Amino acid sequence: DADVTQTPRNRITKTGKRIMLECSQTKGHDRMYWYRQDPGLGLRLIYYSFDVKDINKGEISDGYSVSRQAQAKFSLSLESAIPNQTALYFCATSDAPGVEQYFGPGTRLTVT
Amino acid sequence: AQTVTQSQPEMSVQEAETVTLSCTYDTSESDYYLFWYKQPPSRQMILVIRQEAYKQQNATENRFSVNFQKAAKSFSLKISDSQLGDAAMYFCAYYNAGNMLTFGGGTRLMVKP
Repeated sequence: DADVTQTPRNRITKTGKRIMLECSQTKGHDRMYWYRQDPGLGLRLIYYSFDVKDINKGEISDGYSVSRQAQAKFSLSLESAIPNQTALYFCATSDAPGVEQYFGPGTRLTVT
Repeated sequence: AQTVTQSQPEMSVQEAETVTLSCTYDTSESDYYLFWYKQPPSRQMILVIRQEAYKQQNATENRFSVNFQKAAKSFSLKISDSQLGDAAMYFCAYYNAGNMLTFGGGTRLMVKP
C-alpha cells in the first residue's frame, strides 16, 4: 500500500462549489504539505503543518484553507472554486527539515 | 524570496548517452539543501538526489550525479548511460530554514531509442 494517499485522484467541479481534497499518510511523519503544480511553474507551496496544532501559509494560500485532523490526515479545501484553481495538487510528508519529502499520487482538479 | 530557475524547458538524449540538466538558484543563505525530483508520466514525484550546501563533495546516486557550484549558485544534474525509463519531468528544488521547498519550472527530458 502507498505511504501517502490522496482522494480523489481526479475531480471536475463547477465554479463556486466547495471542494475538499484529502491526504492520509502511514509514514508517521509530523510534517505535511500541500502543493499545486501548474505547467511551467513547477510546484508551489499552499500550506504546511508541522503538527496537529501548527498550520502555516505557504507561497499561494489565498483561496485555500486546510485542516489537520490528526497526525496522519491533512485536508485542503477550496471554499468557492474558480477556474484558475484548475491544477494538479500534491500532498507531501517529511519527518525533519531539509530531508526528502514523500509525495502522494496527486489530485487533478478541473474547475469549469 | 528564493527563486529557482531551470533554463531548459525540454532536453533530449540518445539512449546510453549522457545528459546534463541545468539549475540555478538565488539565495542569501549559506545553509540550505538542494534536490532533484523526477516526475514520470505517472505524475508521481520521486527524489533523485539531495545535496547539503555545507558539503563540498558532489552527491552521487548510481547513474545520477550533480555538479554543485555554491559560489555560482548552480546545481546541475548529470544522467549517465541514459535509459528509456529516465524520460520524465525533472524538477530542481531548494530548501532553507524558512521551511519552504521552492521548485523550478521543470525540464522535460526525452530519451530516444
